[in-house]
Amino acid sequence: DIQMTQSPSTLSASVGDRVTITCRASQSITNWLAWYQQKPGKAPKLLIYKASSLESGVPSRFSGSGSGTEFTLTISSLQPDDFATYYCQQYNSYSPFTFGPGTKVDIK
Amino acid sequence: QLQLQESGPGLVKPSETLSLTCTVSGGSIRSSSYYWGWIRQPPGKGLEWIGSIYYSGNTYDNPSLKSRVTISVDTSKNQFSLKLRSVTAADTAVYYCARQSNWLLAPNWFAPWGQGTLVTVSS
Repeated sequence: DIQMTQSPSTLSASVGDRVTITCRASQSITNWLAWYQQKPGKAPKLLIYKASSLESGVPSRFSGSGSGTEFTLTISSLQPDDFATYYCQQYNSYSPFTFGPGTKVDIK
Repeated sequence: QLQLQESGPGLVKPSETLSLTCTVSGGSIRSSSYYWGWIRQPPGKGLEWIGSIYYSGNTYDNPSLKSRVTISVDTSKNQFSLKLRSVTAADTAVYYCARQSNWLLAPNWFAPWGQGTLVTVSS
């Protein structure tokens, strides 16, 4: 199975900050990566797919980059609605789909 | 707007079978563009993919669940279902159903998701 790691596990930030979350895969997954946002008691919501494609309706302050084994999710200017937990997910063919352990973004 | 809704018992006894159904509304489950998946999240923990199904009945499942999983589809009811056999306390989780993109003829990312349903395994 492809293992996913995320760093940091928790991130304290202020409104207006630029925030970057890193996701690493245990082997190359080309650009087969998605990012999700989850708020307490709610289902995850897709933000980014194919590593850098923005899902319809998602604010443009969210962006994704990377390929191979290292990926980043960037929030260009953190808004109050963005305090949540973020997960990456790989969907490389012929491997179980796996998620990263999550990065919680909380208020500094 | 596509919506998914999980339903099923919230309490299951150890060693029994967990059964959940996902009802899809606002769109057809018989779409060649999508798979339909199950994902779970133990309380306070991360996400684990359980398995996915295509409307034709083709399935992928997570080998970590050691063949305890059966996923089926009922296109006449626009539903798909999950059965997880021989449950233990470790199977206590919020169970989500979700639509999964079939881009390049393979299951990919999940969107949208159902609201989730908590299933507790306890005697």
